[in-house]
Parts: sequence; C-alpha cells; structure tokens
Amino acid sequence: AQSVTQLDSHVSVSEGTPVLLRCNYSSSYSPSLFWYVQHPNKGLQLLLKYTSAATLVKGINGFEAEFKKSETSFHLTKPSAHMSDAAEYFCVVSDQETGGFKTIFGAGTRLFVKA
Amino acid sequence: SQTIHQWPATLVQPVGSPLSLECTVEGTSNPNLYWYRQAAGRGLQLLFYSVGIGQISSEVPQNLSASRPQDRQFILSSKKLLLSDSGFYLCAWSVQGSNQPQHFGDGTRLSIL
Repeated sequence: AQSVTQLDSHVSVSEGTPVLLRCNYSSSYSPSLFWYVQHPNKGLQLLLKYTSAATLVKGINGFEAEFKKSETSFHLTKPSAHMSDAAEYFCVVSDQETGGFKTIFGAGTRLFVKA
Repeated sequence: SQTIHQWPATLVQPVGSPLSLECTVEGTSNPNLYWYRQAAGRGLQLLFYSVGIGQISSEVPQNLSASRPQDRQFILSSKKLLLSDSGFYLCAWSVQGSNQPQHFGDGTRLSIL
C-alpha cells in the first residue's frame, strides 16, 4: 500500500537558519516523489521532483531533497530560510499501479519564518 | 507555455444554491484534469479526475459532480450546496499518461452561508 507521512504539521525557524521538513513514504513500487509549496490562497507550485535519477534533488528557491531508500524518507531542506519561504509544503508520492498511476498527497507542513 | 485558469477566485453562496466552477487549460492537448478540495488546515482531497472528454472518475461520493465538455475545460458543479462544501477548490492538470507532476490553478475560495 502507498502512503506518505509528513512528520511535522508546523515548523518554525528564524530567518537565516536552516529549514528541515520531514517526509516518510511507503510504496510497493519504485516511487516518484515530489515537494510542492502553497502560499496563502494560491495553488500548489512544484518545488522539486525525484524520479529515480540522482538521489539528491535540487529545486527552485534554494530547496533540495534527498531520497533515502533505506530510510524511506524524502526530507526537504534549505540552508538559510527567507521570510518569503513562509508557506505550506506538501510531500507527494506517486507510483505506477496496474491500470495507471496512484498519487498520494501528504497532509502538509506549515513553515513559519521569524524575523 | 501552458497556463491554467480557474474562476471565480472567491464565491459566497447560500446553502441549497447551485454551483458551477470552471477551469480551463491552455497550451497543451489531451491533459489529465483534476479537481481537489482543501478544507481549512487539512491536505488535499482528490474529488474527480478526467483522462479525456466525457471521461470522469469520482474519488469521493458526495453531492458534487464534474464534467469535461471540451478537451481543456473541466467544470465542477452541484445542484444544492451543503455547509460542508465550504473550502478551497483547486483545479490541476498533468500530461497524458502520467499524473505527476501536476500544475495547479490559483483556486476558488468557496464559502457557504
């Protein structure tokens, strides 16, 4: 069965400090993994994606994520938070099942950035 | 380049009234199309998806329905809104043959009074 767990519903950091948003997944197949960001009253925007190439994936706005199969994790990181990073972040897992693809969205992690 | 449009951006409706939310995609052909609902403080719930004109799959039984009258047009409807229909509705598209990544519209904030 497929699932995705975002371990923190809220994360608060100070501007200029590192960001870590945690995501664990389970999948019966070789999954593709994604991180999306959502600013208030906006749609979701793709940050980065892992599709079985390099395990360290770089995305937009200085974010990156590392796929660790042994830990079934895909944590999102950024070395230095900016005020504009305050938003909600969604981890997504997608894999191919018989007859098509299955996608699961995590419940989201809200990132707060303090000045 | 591809763009996706949703309207209206906000909507306030009384209980029992009908609903029609529209989503159109430009710059691509034969997209997969999706409707999601996002309740306050919660993740995304997939409501409907479509792989082609007139082909609608429902993920959650409810009083909402969806239609795809044209290749790049996806409509979410209801005959009688309930209080529980309040939320943020998002339309998205992906390329045919894959459901990720998805590209989202800016959403419609629906408030039921």
